[in-house]
Amino acid sequence: SQKIEQNSEALNIQEGKTATLTCNYTNYSPAYLQWYRQDPGRGPVFLLLIRENEKEKRKERLKVTFDTTLKQSLFHITASQPADSATYLCALPGGGSQGNLIFGKGTKLSVKP
Amino acid sequence: EAEVAQSPRYKITEKSQAVAFWCDPISGHATLYWYRQILGQGPELLVQFQDESVVDDSQLPKDRFSAERLKGVDSTLKIQPAELGDSAMYLCASSFGRARYNEQFFGPGTRLTVL
Repeated sequence: SQKIEQNSEALNIQEGKTATLTCNYTNYSPAYLQWYRQDPGRGPVFLLLIRENEKEKRKERLKVTFDTTLKQSLFHITASQPADSATYLCALPGGGSQGNLIFGKGTKLSVKP
Repeated sequence: EAEVAQSPRYKITEKSQAVAFWCDPISGHATLYWYRQILGQGPELLVQFQDESVVDDSQLPKDRFSAERLKGVDSTLKIQPAELGDSAMYLCASSFGRARYNEQFFGPGTRLTVL
């Protein structure tokens, strides 16, 4: 079965810097990959989806890359702000045809002013 | 803006008791998911509905958990009897249609504590 590893449990950076989060998977290459944001005590919120034939996807200050050779996705937040502090989850299709997802454990990002 | 509704937000129960969670997905969303999230972990799928039919319940502990979506709209997840290890956040999510690429919209979750 697919396994997902998010590089670290926590990442602390200074406001204004670029945060880079890593998501690695171990088995088959997924057709797509999604990133979600989760605040404490709340449900995850969808941020971006990138397909296997896309190298990069951008949305405002967010950028996601997808390298099927390395089996890795990088999630970047440029010009980070304290409001970006949250846990970021990587999710891949579960292998069935029904659109279910497997989530990583997440990386908790803290942006200090 | 349309949201997924869940109730209750918090539930404290004693082991061996029965508990039930309710979810109302975004109107028009055919697919509904129930996830369990243990603190410090990502959400894990328990059951997935397409309209009123279960399409994936492979990770649902069927000896104690049950889920239904009778009219293909709102859904109920039940645990009977609850065990200490069931303490977690129970999340409901919905997505539009059958496309594999659909983003999932999550509700606020129900925090269950089993004493």
